[in-house]
Amino acid sequence: GAGVSQSPSNKVTEKGKDVELRCDPISGHTALYWYRQRLGQGLEFLIYFQGNSAPDKSGLPSDRFSAERTGESVSTLTIQRTQQEDSAVYLCASSPLGGWNEKLFFGSGTQLSVL
Amino acid sequence: GESVGLHLPTLSVQEGDNSIINCAYSNSASDYFIWYKQESGKGPQFIIDIRSNMDKRQGQRVTVLLNKTVKHLSLQIAATQPGDSAVYFCAENSGANSKLTFGKGITLSVRP
Repeated sequence: GAGVSQSPSNKVTEKGKDVELRCDPISGHTALYWYRQRLGQGLEFLIYFQGNSAPDKSGLPSDRFSAERTGESVSTLTIQRTQQEDSAVYLCASSPLGGWNEKLFFGSGTQLSVL
Repeated sequence: GESVGLHLPTLSVQEGDNSIINCAYSNSASDYFIWYKQESGKGPQFIIDIRSNMDKRQGQRVTVLLNKTVKHLSLQIAATQPGDSAVYFCAENSGANSKLTFGKGITLSVRP
């Protein structure tokens, strides 16, 4: 597709379960970002991938959160032993080069609900 | 700490009027700013950006103004339309190895 694609669009899980969220960036974009958006809040940076460089994981809130990216394509965000406070929309974005002055292209997000 | 914030949480305007959405930032090293629009159930959509070497930039029906002296950013929407109803976020970046930092967002509601 032409834009950033995320799946699933909605995920309901039970507390303690693991979840995996997927992001397909725009083809050719070398940079990929994950953000978290709690209800009525702004976007909270989680992790950033840029080409073959080591990812910037400085925004991950705990060791229950991890993310992988295969080359310059698909990324998965994994949350282990989910907690109710993990409930949020998880947004993925990509940009062509990952430069500091580039605009990000966002997907529609995955709405995660932890019961 | 450094932060990006918005003055007002909600803004209601009459269709056809001009809208002004304001944003304050506290990081004097910020040198790139973006406005995003987020409609319900969708991801943020780029509206317009500006670099710190400029104080004004215009797009289609939108203008971004940057006042570095008082660290203030504003988004002006001309002839506001119902389709402009959304949450608007300002975001800033302070340069290499930095990430976009987003404000909390302001809801724009357009009255018919």
